[in-house]
Amino acid sequence: DIQMTQSPSSLSASVGDRVTITCQASQDISNYLNWYQQKPGKAPKLLMYDASNLETGVPSRFSGSGSGKHFTFTITGLQPEDIATYYCQQYDNLPYTFGQGTKLEIK
Amino acid sequence: EVQLVESGGGLVTPGGSLRLSCAASGFTFNTYTMNWVRQAPGKGLEWVSSISPGSNYIYYADSMKGRFTISRDNAKNSLYLQMSSLRAEDTAVYYCARDYQAGVVAFDFWGQGTLVTVSS
Repeated sequence: DIQMTQSPSSLSASVGDRVTITCQASQDISNYLNWYQQKPGKAPKLLMYDASNLETGVPSRFSGSGSGKHFTFTITGLQPEDIATYYCQQYDNLPYTFGQGTKLEIK
Repeated sequence: EVQLVESGGGLVTPGGSLRLSCAASGFTFNTYTMNWVRQAPGKGLEWVSSISPGSNYIYYADSMKGRFTISRDNAKNSLYLQMSSLRAEDTAVYYCARDYQAGVVAFDFWGQGTLVTVSS
């Protein structure tokens, strides 16, 4: 199985900050990498697919980059409503696997 | 509006069985691959299984093979997960999720989830 390692596991930032989360795959997954946001008690929401493509309706302050084994997810100008846990997910190989999540809190 | 509504969760004893359902609406169900994804309490997301539009391609996570069976009824716009030989570690919220589009395996719509608790 492909292991997905996110860092950090948790993060505290202030409104307006630039926040970056990284996701590393245990092997090359090309750009087959998606990002999700999950708020407490809610289902996950797809934010980005294929590493850098913003899902329809998702604010442009969210962005993603990377390919191969190393990926980054960035929020430029953190908003209070961005408080959530963020997950990366690969689909290069079955089983599809998720990172362990990054919990984002407001300072 | 796309809607996915899971049902069938509950408390079951170890070794028992349970059948989850997911009712889909607001899209052409028979053209999308569908998935089950689970989340143990306080833990991360784990992909469980997927099924192609015509049920020709079915995949499972290794820990579910032989115990879980995914199926769908396109006439009823419904997805199912038959779970047997349940273990305490199967305790989780189970979500049904739609695949994004051909060639991209991303889960673009999710249900609200149904909680399965395996305990004696």
